[in-house]
Amino acid sequence: QITLKESGPALVRPTQTLTLTCSFSGFSLSSTGVGVGWIRQPPGKALEWLALIYWDDDARYSPFLQSRLTITKDTSKNQVVLTMTNMDPVDTATYYCAHAYQMLLPFDYWGPGTLVTVSS
Amino acid sequence: QSVLTQPPSASGTPGQSVSIFCSGSSSDIGNNYVFWYQHIPGTAPQLLIYRNSHRPSGVPDRFSGSKSGTSASLAISGLRSEDEGLYYCATWDESLSAWVFGGGTKLTVL
Repeated sequence: QITLKESGPALVRPTQTLTLTCSFSGFSLSSTGVGVGWIRQPPGKALEWLALIYWDDDARYSPFLQSRLTITKDTSKNQVVLTMTNMDPVDTATYYCAHAYQMLLPFDYWGPGTLVTVSS
Repeated sequence: QSVLTQPPSASGTPGQSVSIFCSGSSSDIGNNYVFWYQHIPGTAPQLLIYRNSHRPSGVPDRFSGSKSGTSASLAISGLRSEDEGLYYCATWDESLSAWVFGGGTKLTVL
């Protein structure tokens, strides 16, 4: 049974760096083809893909946010961490992490999401 | 503004069939698989259709997907009240080297 859960601060000040952790079970990020991605949804807006890291450390980023994002994995802890620098109120959103398998099955299991509000 | 275009809303009465369309280009839908997600507010999005037309286990066969050229569609038959929610198409965009989602379609069951 695959489960994922996001954790991190609910409130971030403008210009600060956001660090989110995705803790998962039911699969290993050392298995060939497996990946974990991050997707967000601002209030009232559409889903937006942010980043994805694969079992072989191949990391992909949204070209619109690449300069601000870093995704890393800790296989021994079954965790993936996303950092986003220079946070702005427009980054207020629910952030989701999700399991992926190569390009064939992106985001087939999702965490419940965590709401991050950017405000001074 | 999303790379993939979806109608903002769709509706139907219980038992009816409804289709949701997703329009893209040769750099995204035209050369890659399409995926569909259902998002009920307050819950995590759920994968409904993968690789254009395949259903994950547990997804009712009332849901079906198809793709033609640079467009794709999600069909829902035997509409139920619990089908109300947001529906997103997604694919890989080769020119952006990014996963892209449609703007979402809000389905209302009247």
